[in-house]
Amino acid sequence: AQSVTQLGSHVSVSEGALVLLRCNYSSSVPPYLFWYVQYPNQGLQLLLKYTTGATLVKGINGFEAEFKKSETSFHLTKPSAHMSDAAEYFCAVSPYTGNQFYFGTGTSLTVIP
Amino acid sequence: DVKVTQSSRYLVKRTGEKVFLECVQDMDHENMFWYRQDPGLGLRLIYFSYDVKMKEKGDIPEGYSVSREKKERFSLILESASTNQTSMYLCASSSFLDGEKLFFGSGTQLSVL
Repeated sequence: AQSVTQLGSHVSVSEGALVLLRCNYSSSVPPYLFWYVQYPNQGLQLLLKYTTGATLVKGINGFEAEFKKSETSFHLTKPSAHMSDAAEYFCAVSPYTGNQFYFGTGTSLTVIP
Repeated sequence: DVKVTQSSRYLVKRTGEKVFLECVQDMDHENMFWYRQDPGLGLRLIYFSYDVKMKEKGDIPEGYSVSREKKERFSLILESASTNQTSMYLCASSSFLDGEKLFFGSGTQLSVL
């Protein structure tokens, strides 16, 4: 079975500070892992994904995430928060490509000026 | 540019009404999905489809049905709407060849009174 846990439903950071959004997964098979972002009144869009290969994955808008198998984690980071980063972020796991995705409950990121 | 279009942004219906939510994608994608998004619960899969006239139940199919008569269109049907179906509904699609990336519509906020 696959599942995702996102720790912290709300995270606030100051503009220019480090962003860290936590995601832990459970998967009975090697997982594909994703981060999606949802801006207000919009659908979700893909930030980055891990399928195979390099465990440090870079995405759009300066975000990156590291797959740590030993910790079953896929935390999302950005060195310096920008006001435009304020959004809802969802971690997701898929047991194999093209099929069901299991989403976490989401983390709302607030950036304080 | 890739596009998933949901017919209504906001919808208000009465208890017991039959409700149709429409989703159209212009990318010739094989896979289409319906999710509902609720605060604190994240995204939960209702139904998905890998091909025309084909459908599979997701995690919460009760009270819903779907129709996929054409490749580009995937309809979600609430046979008899109830207040606990008040939610944001998100449609998504993906390609069989690149199934790791979901493309989402902007969502339909359904209120059942």
